[in-house]
Amino acid sequence: NAGVTQTPKFQVLKTGQSMTLQCAQDMNHNSMYWYRQDPGMGLRLIYYSASEGTTDKGEVPNGYNVSRLNKREFSLRLESAAPSQTSVYFCASSHISYEQYFGPGTRLTVT
Amino acid sequence: DAKTTQPTSMDCAEGRAANLPCNHSTISGNEYVYWYRQIHSQGPQYIIHGLKNNETNEMASLIITEDRKSSTLILPHATLRDTAVYYCIVRGLYNNNDMRFGAGTRLTVKP
Repeated sequence: NAGVTQTPKFQVLKTGQSMTLQCAQDMNHNSMYWYRQDPGMGLRLIYYSASEGTTDKGEVPNGYNVSRLNKREFSLRLESAAPSQTSVYFCASSHISYEQYFGPGTRLTVT
Repeated sequence: DAKTTQPTSMDCAEGRAANLPCNHSTISGNEYVYWYRQIHSQGPQYIIHGLKNNETNEMASLIITEDRKSSTLILPHATLRDTAVYYCIVRGLYNNNDMRFGAGTRLTVKP
């Protein structure tokens, strides 16, 4: 099992560019999540998907969109990147209410 | 979800027990205490969780006070690889979409 995988590992964008962060899990989990982590801070939830076909906003959803493509995949899109979106992005998955499993993260810099 | 308070940092000697405290004085009756850790900017890793009884697994022990207003995570024989940021999180069992990561405690295990 690869667990939770994320691509890309690193990305540099110019202000206004768009990109999609990809996440996939092979644990047959129902729920998936996107977090961001700014330097020296804990993680904050951007969006989550409780099950295939559903998505909901988390604590900091502005500037992001998500797609739960199927049970395995949950993508995060930045339509028009801003420097304030420079962060490390983590995807996670879980089986309903159990513990979350996290991916290795995507380090995004917006200049 | 209830707010938690943790010390910013702690040191521990290799081979000794590391005791990481967490205060959660506003915890409600159906909320669990979860512990995660994050090693050097990797994705967070689940450690343990509990409701009111003490819990133990292969990684750690969790001691929750009788009034449930505080808890202690115990790493019985800390190693250098246990150096990480440890997060104490309080949430309802089915509120997996509301994992509030604070700043955590930075544990440094020293030789």
